[in-house]
Amino acid sequence: AQRVTQPEKLLSVFKGAPVELKCNYSYSGSPELFWYVQYSRQRLQLLLRHISRESIKGFTADLNKGETSFHLKKPFAQEEDSAMYYCALASGSRLTFGEGTQLTVNP
Amino acid sequence: DGGITQSPKYLFRKEGQNVTLSCEQNLNHDAMYWYRQDPGQGLRLIYYSQIVNDFQKGDIAEGYSVSREKKESFPLTVTSAQKNPTAFYLCASSMRVRRYGYTFGSGTRLTVV
Repeated sequence: AQRVTQPEKLLSVFKGAPVELKCNYSYSGSPELFWYVQYSRQRLQLLLRHISRESIKGFTADLNKGETSFHLKKPFAQEEDSAMYYCALASGSRLTFGEGTQLTVNP
Repeated sequence: DGGITQSPKYLFRKEGQNVTLSCEQNLNHDAMYWYRQDPGQGLRLIYYSQIVNDFQKGDIAEGYSVSREKKESFPLTVTSAQKNPTAFYLCASSMRVRRYGYTFGSGTRLTVV
């Protein structure tokens, strides 16, 4: 069965510092992975997809099949990045989500 | 303005009562989903539907029921059999090609009093 693990429930950094939100997965097939973000009082929204290899709001994520990881990174965190971040794995027509990481960027 | 709408935003239910949460989308998406969001547990899948008149159980379907009579609508009923119904419920929809991800509603917070 598929599983997504986000080992850090809470992550706090200072503005301008690099940030990395960890995501590990277990899946027997070829994974399709996503990062979703939920800002305060806003709905959950797609941040980026591994398949598009894009950078959104300065965030990137690389799929590492050897380590079964899909960590989210940003070189210089901003206060507006404070939010809840979820890693998700697609299998069939379902998305399986991790437990989420609450990121706080302090001034 | 395309999107997915959940109503109501807040719902209070007495123990022993069934309650139905509404989810409507005008994105012409084929698939729709219901998740439950609890602090520290992420999002857990309750039910999903890929086409009209068909739906499948997710990981925590016990105590819940759904219907999919129209493409645009996927209501969720929380029955009295659900032992811990107080939670935040999220509805989502997607195209059949999953790589585009999901579009989420703004959620319904259900409280059992």
